[in-house]
Amino acid sequence: DTGVSQDPRHKITKRGQNVTFRCDPISEHNRLYWYRQTLGQGPEFLTYFQNEAQLEKSRLLSDRFSAERPKGSFSTLEIQRTEQGDSAMYLCASSLGFGDSPLHFGNGTRLTVT
Amino acid sequence: DQQVKQNSPSLSVQEGRISILNCDYTNSMFDYFLWYKKYPAEGPTFLISISSIKDKNEDGRFTVFLNKSAKHLSLHIVPSQPGDSAVYFCAAIHYNNNDMRFGAGTRLTVKP
Repeated sequence: DTGVSQDPRHKITKRGQNVTFRCDPISEHNRLYWYRQTLGQGPEFLTYFQNEAQLEKSRLLSDRFSAERPKGSFSTLEIQRTEQGDSAMYLCASSLGFGDSPLHFGNGTRLTVT
Repeated sequence: DQQVKQNSPSLSVQEGRISILNCDYTNSMFDYFLWYKKYPAEGPTFLISISSIKDKNEDGRFTVFLNKSAKHLSLHIVPSQPGDSAVYFCAAIHYNNNDMRFGAGTRLTVKP
């Protein structure tokens, strides 16, 4: 169990640029989640995959955000035309897929939009 | 729509004493509750959980209590150790829903 891996750890970008983050879940986990965390707040749900299918998206996920999980393995989260309000920690988590399975989080990607 | 609330942003206790972290929720449909611990520059780490059919779950120094009528849960750490210093998040989920809701966190400081 190598844990959930996220890349990059930090990303600084200028407003209007596109950014893409990658998440590699724990290999036997079939569920993958993206969360966003801002200062002083807990993680907020963005979207969730069961294998390669994106089954749920939060209303927080505007049309500038897109997530993929090709072949049910790693996942990418892309933000187009970044805005300063997108600055946050983006957390990926995976789980075994049962209703009460705890989420295992990666260390996150901290995005700063200048 | 904050369905999970941690009203104490910080807590400081002496090493060896009990730490009690509190969490309130508003959605009666939640049927599974979890506590996560987060160190700086790391993602949250699962600590302990409890199903809504139970009122207590214990794991070593950590015990979670659930009071469904009050929509309240608490995490007890006994005895507290300096290594327990971290931010603790309460989370809740409904089995048929994949949107796990988190509180804003409580920063615990355990003083030697």
